[in-house]
Amino acid sequence: QKEVEQDPGPLSVPEGAIVSLNCTYSNSAFQYFMWYRQYSRKGPELLMYTYSSGNKEDGRFTAQVDKSSKYISLFIRDSQPSDSATYLCAMTEGGAQKLVFGQGTRLTINP
Amino acid sequence: DTAVSQTPKYLVTQMGNDKSIKCEQNLGHDTMYWYKQDSKKFLKIMFSYNNKELIINETVPNRFSPKSPDKAHLNLHINSLELGDSAVYFCASSVASGNTIYFGEGSWLTVV
Repeated sequence: QKEVEQDPGPLSVPEGAIVSLNCTYSNSAFQYFMWYRQYSRKGPELLMYTYSSGNKEDGRFTAQVDKSSKYISLFIRDSQPSDSATYLCAMTEGGAQKLVFGQGTRLTINP
Repeated sequence: DTAVSQTPKYLVTQMGNDKSIKCEQNLGHDTMYWYKQDSKKFLKIMFSYNNKELIINETVPNRFSPKSPDKAHLNLHINSLELGDSAVYFCASSVASGNTIYFGEGSWLTVV
């Protein structure tokens, strides 16, 4: 079993829909959780960063962490075609050197 | 100004050749990385350097040799390229005490 599981998709939704992306993990020591967005032919860019359980909101994006269930989510409201990308979750016990990535979910927002 | 820059972006080469990918960061970070992303988008760490010192060396063939002339640069040299080396290689950097890393744009390596 991988430490971090993420459905690779692809996921295709109409513009304006609410998108939910998820990851599960097995290591209960993970404390820092991130979402990266990767456009085609580009490097991953940090989108959201959260510590421990709870929600964090940034514009149309909400990151949610449920440590009891070992489950993290990224919600995108009012999705736009420009949100079309691969979204990778990442997490660590502490320290960027120990960052573990999910496989990434390929998302397409259709106009 | 690009924070983490790597060259070349695209590289097509024949089996058996030796090639290098260069990376530079201007973020003032003290830790740099090489990641490999395969066709299924899995990102796997290959190497990590902190202040020019090798910290992480995952199970990578000896044909891959990183070199860090200073803390702002981390180059990757690959000897005797094989078909299976075809992938995207990402350079990244972070502060040693941080939890997040910042990636370059990637170098697409195709071995034919």
